[in-house]
Amino acid sequence: AQSVAQPEDQVNVAEGNPLTVKCTYSVSGNPYLFWYVQYPNRGLQFLLKYITGDNLVKGSYGFEAEFNKSQTSFHLKKPSALVSDSALYFCAVRDNYQLIWGAGTKLIIKP
Amino acid sequence: EAQVTQNPRYLITVTGKKLTVTCSQNMNHEYMSWYRQDPGLGLRQIYYSMNVEVTDKGDVPEGYKVSRKEKRNFPLILESPSPNQTSLYFCASSHHRQENTEAFFGQGTRLTVV
Repeated sequence: AQSVAQPEDQVNVAEGNPLTVKCTYSVSGNPYLFWYVQYPNRGLQFLLKYITGDNLVKGSYGFEAEFNKSQTSFHLKKPSALVSDSALYFCAVRDNYQLIWGAGTKLIIKP
Repeated sequence: EAQVTQNPRYLITVTGKKLTVTCSQNMNHEYMSWYRQDPGLGLRQIYYSMNVEVTDKGDVPEGYKVSRKEKRNFPLILESPSPNQTSLYFCASSHHRQENTEAFFGQGTRLTVV
């Protein structure tokens, strides 16, 4: 069965430091992978996606994600964290017409 | 502006009083779905629709109904709400036949059933 795992409930990072939010997946066939962000009292916003091609995908707000087929991972990264990056982050994989979601990772950036 | 609009944003109701949460999208998307979000459980799909008059159950459909009479609208109906349906609800839409396209989400409806 298709699944997505976000192994960390919460990630704490100091402002200015690099951040990584982890995601691993299990799908049959080629994966279509997505990252979304949810700010407090807001809906989910699309950040970036991997479809094919370059393993390093760049997205909104300076975020990027690295697709690793051998490790079945799609980790979200940013070179220098901002306090405003504090939010809930979701990884998802497309299974036909449906999205399979991870449980979410709360990212806290401390000044 | 491309968007998914949900109403209301906040709703407090009593057990057993029927309610409807509306969802509308202006992107001509075929696929629409409803999720509930609960702490520690992530997003769970309630119902989805692949096109007009085509709906199907998601992972947690009990206690909910939906309809898809028009392409743009996908209301969520709680015929007899119970306290365990207190949650944050999201409507989403996307192009059904394009697996590489992202989903668009509404702002959410925070429902409290007392």
